[in-house]
Amino acid sequence: QSVLTQPPSASGTPGQRVTISCSGSSSNIGGNTVNWYQQLPGTAPKLLIYNNNQRPSGVPDRFSGSKSGTSASLAISGLQSENEADYYCASWDDSLNGYVFGTGTKVTVL
Amino acid sequence: QITLKESGPTLVKPTQTLTLTCTFSGFSLSTSGVGVVWIRQPPGKALEWLALIYWDDDKRYSLSLKTRLTITKDTSKNQVVLTMTNMDPVDTATYYCAHEVTTDYYSYMDVWGKGTTVTVSS
Repeated sequence: QSVLTQPPSASGTPGQRVTISCSGSSSNIGGNTVNWYQQLPGTAPKLLIYNNNQRPSGVPDRFSGSKSGTSASLAISGLQSENEADYYCASWDDSLNGYVFGTGTKVTVL
Repeated sequence: QITLKESGPTLVKPTQTLTLTCTFSGFSLSTSGVGVVWIRQPPGKALEWLALIYWDDDKRYSLSLKTRLTITKDTSKNQVVLTMTNMDPVDTATYYCAHEVTTDYYSYMDVWGKGTTVTVSS
């Protein structure tokens, strides 16, 4: 059961900017950092953003993350066909004493 | 280079106990700030966090599954084992293990295994 809420889908044409939201509460996003994962079809998730807005080595700067209060967002600028994937946010939850994932957002490139 | 690989049965019967092994390389689970996490994903559904074991043997479990899960580590073998009791068809999923980095300010799972698919059926 997902504690963090994401829109089920998002789409854009090549080159556009797409933003995905992630809504939580004071026990998770409000008090802890947010990570984002990209899951290409049939593959394991890959870390895209950690500590709200940090990119691991090798992740293009077209991907950016932000956090405000109990919500976070992931932006993909210059959308490309290879960005078609499922995207998940994640955060530690102090009440549950464990990680929680978002419901997932499927990004489609039109 | 950090790698992780999940192994275990592909098919289990309802009520049986599932034992999954995560064999890793490229890091030591005795290093401060390091952990190994188990996550699962039912077909077509979202990711679900299951359990975490830290370098100091501290453990965390999903509250909803806590009574059914046990996570252990064998540092000498570079392995982490997850057991889940009383398996049910709703536990059918791909099970992943991942390397966890923990600091005073943030934590994240940075490297994931490819996953192993487990089907629960009689």
